[in-house]
Amino acid sequence: GDSVTQMEGPVTLSEEAFLTINCTYTATGYPSLFWYVQYPGEGLQLLLKATKADDKGSNKGFEATYRKETTSFHLEKGSVQVSDSAVYFCALIRHAEAGSYQLTFGKGTKLSVIP
Amino acid sequence: EPEVTQTPSHQVTQMGQEVILRCVPISNHLYFYWYRQILGQKVEFLVSFYNNEISEKSEIFDDQFSVERPDGSNFTLKIRSTKLEDSAMYFCASSAGGVSYEQYFGPGTRLTVT
Repeated sequence: GDSVTQMEGPVTLSEEAFLTINCTYTATGYPSLFWYVQYPGEGLQLLLKATKADDKGSNKGFEATYRKETTSFHLEKGSVQVSDSAVYFCALIRHAEAGSYQLTFGKGTKLSVIP
Repeated sequence: EPEVTQTPSHQVTQMGQEVILRCVPISNHLYFYWYRQILGQKVEFLVSFYNNEISEKSEIFDDQFSVERPDGSNFTLKIRSTKLEDSAMYFCASSAGGVSYEQYFGPGTRLTVT
């Protein structure tokens, strides 16, 4: 079945540090890939997405590139802020032709940014 | 900006009781979902709903669970006889469908079964 593996947390960084959260996936077909963020006490918010190989999703300074050859979708940000402290989830949806729209999530990576 | 809303934010119930969790999806969306997140674990898919019927469900979604869209705006998840292991955060999500796969999540209902 489909699966998403992301790096174990927690990750603690100083403000303005570079962030990478690794994500790899296993899926049939050509999935769409997503990063969701969950701030403390809140629900899941879509951060960015990519729907085909070599697409780069970006939002709020975060980026991730869909790498089909390595089945990866690593999240990066050049300079993190305290307000980026949250749990980050990598997720996929199998291609619509498979008739499935369920999101498969990774376990989440907790990021703490200290001033 | 349109958003998914859920009520209540926190529900405490006794084992064996029925609970109904309510969601109001984004108004022009066609696909509706329920997910759950047991404390400290990953978010898990429960069920998807389209055109007034279940389109997919996971192994978790057994006969104790049911979903309904009783009117044009609400989408509900019913657990008939709650168990301790049903304690979790339950998220509703909706999507426009078609080529737009993005699912938009509500803030969640924390269900505590005692």
